[in-house]
Amino acid sequence: DAKTTQPNSMESNEEEPVHLPCNHSTISGTDYIHWYRQLPSQGPEYVIHGLTSNVNNRMASLAIAEDRKSSTLILHRATLRDAAVYYCILSWEYGNKLVFGAGTILRVKS
Amino acid sequence: DARVTQTPRHKVTEMGQEVTMRCQPILGHNTVFWYRQTMMQGLELLAYFRNRAPLDDSGMPKDRFSAEMPDATLATLKIQPSEPRDSAVYFCASGLKRDRGNHGYTFGSGTRLTVV
Repeated sequence: DAKTTQPNSMESNEEEPVHLPCNHSTISGTDYIHWYRQLPSQGPEYVIHGLTSNVNNRMASLAIAEDRKSSTLILHRATLRDAAVYYCILSWEYGNKLVFGAGTILRVKS
Repeated sequence: DARVTQTPRHKVTEMGQEVTMRCQPILGHNTVFWYRQTMMQGLELLAYFRNRAPLDDSGMPKDRFSAEMPDATLATLKIQPSEPRDSAVYFCASGLKRDRGNHGYTFGSGTRLTVV
């Protein structure tokens, strides 16, 4: 499975945008980039995923570098409820297994 | 919103006892995963199924763990005999394998297992 590298932790102020980076230099052409988050005492929650183009949904935006070796999850206005561990995962086509790394702990300050 | 239901939510058992955890995937989902989470190891994939057939159980200790899908509405994870090192939160997730237009996997709330 291709590896991803994320910062251990990040901090943000409430109502400001947050950019969570992920490096995946060994990504293959058929790997999808998935983002999940895990709030305290809950199971992981799907956030967004993409292959080559930038993606937007109601939760976040995903910006994918042209060479696909990195991506950024963008939370447009962080709230206290966004404090969680964010996981960037590569998976060969949707429906295949997700192998979670350590993720990034996001802290949001009021 | 549709949910993945896991039972029990909490289980305390003595070492050596059999433990069965159950998962009801979202109706219509054809892919089911079992994960285990501990502070030390994080989220580990134990096994996953597609259309009830096991695709990969390489992450599961074979001597004591077993995972099955008796039917499309039920997935089970059994540990026999249980050991203190099995103490963890066990998550089930389900999803639909299709070509396009998906919304990711849905995870249950987990079963917190404590083996004493």
